[in-house]
Amino acid sequence: IVMTQSPATLSVSPGERATLSCRASQSVGINLAWYQQRPGRAPGLLIYGAATRATGIPARFRGSGSGTEFTLTISDLQTEDSAVYYCQQYENWPPLLTFGPGTRVEI
Amino acid sequence: QLQLQESGPGLVKPSETLSLSCNVSGDSINTDSYSWGWIRQAPGKGLEWIGSMYYYGKANYNPSLKSRVTISLDTSKNHFSLTVDSLSAADTAVYYCGRMWQLFYFDSWGQGILVTVSS
Repeated sequence: IVMTQSPATLSVSPGERATLSCRASQSVGINLAWYQQRPGRAPGLLIYGAATRATGIPARFRGSGSGTEFTLTISDLQTEDSAVYYCQQYENWPPLLTFGPGTRVEI
Repeated sequence: QLQLQESGPGLVKPSETLSLSCNVSGDSINTDSYSWGWIRQAPGKGLEWIGSMYYYGKANYNPSLKSRVTISLDTSKNHFSLTVDSLSAADTAVYYCGRMWQLFYFDSWGQGILVTVSS
């Protein structure tokens, strides 16, 4: 399953909202996760099951979608949200996890 | 609090074998709910899943790497390992170990270790 993300880069101002898209080449149901990777850091889990926030993730991060189209919406953007955001599907069996190429969010 | 820490060489020669270890503290790898896996990230590139396994079962690997990689778990030491054979410059990357919920997504990561393949 090939994952694509758009846009490649998103420039936004503090306090605004960012909308990131992720598309799967075939249906993955809701078997989709989102990660945030700040510069020089390991990725961190934001969302799993397409819409469930991971522990400690603030409500301004919202995931939605199913099938082949998914969205990560970040509201009230803050400077620490500058990062690359990756989606990852886990629909395959046997497991073959695949990631999207990422969206860079610049605040 | 769960912590994962990668260790291994930072520089290896082409055609050699890379061996990395991931030490786990704050949780036991002897669990049915989680698997343990590796991901890598070439410089300036995206994330690539290498493989994962439960403590009791066989490993699952990315088909693109399957012929060259092995993941193993040592429950007595609470760590797991990755070996990659026949290295080339294309294997230069930051290697991350992580804990996975089932075989689905990574919920915890190590800080990563940069491995450069060069003569």
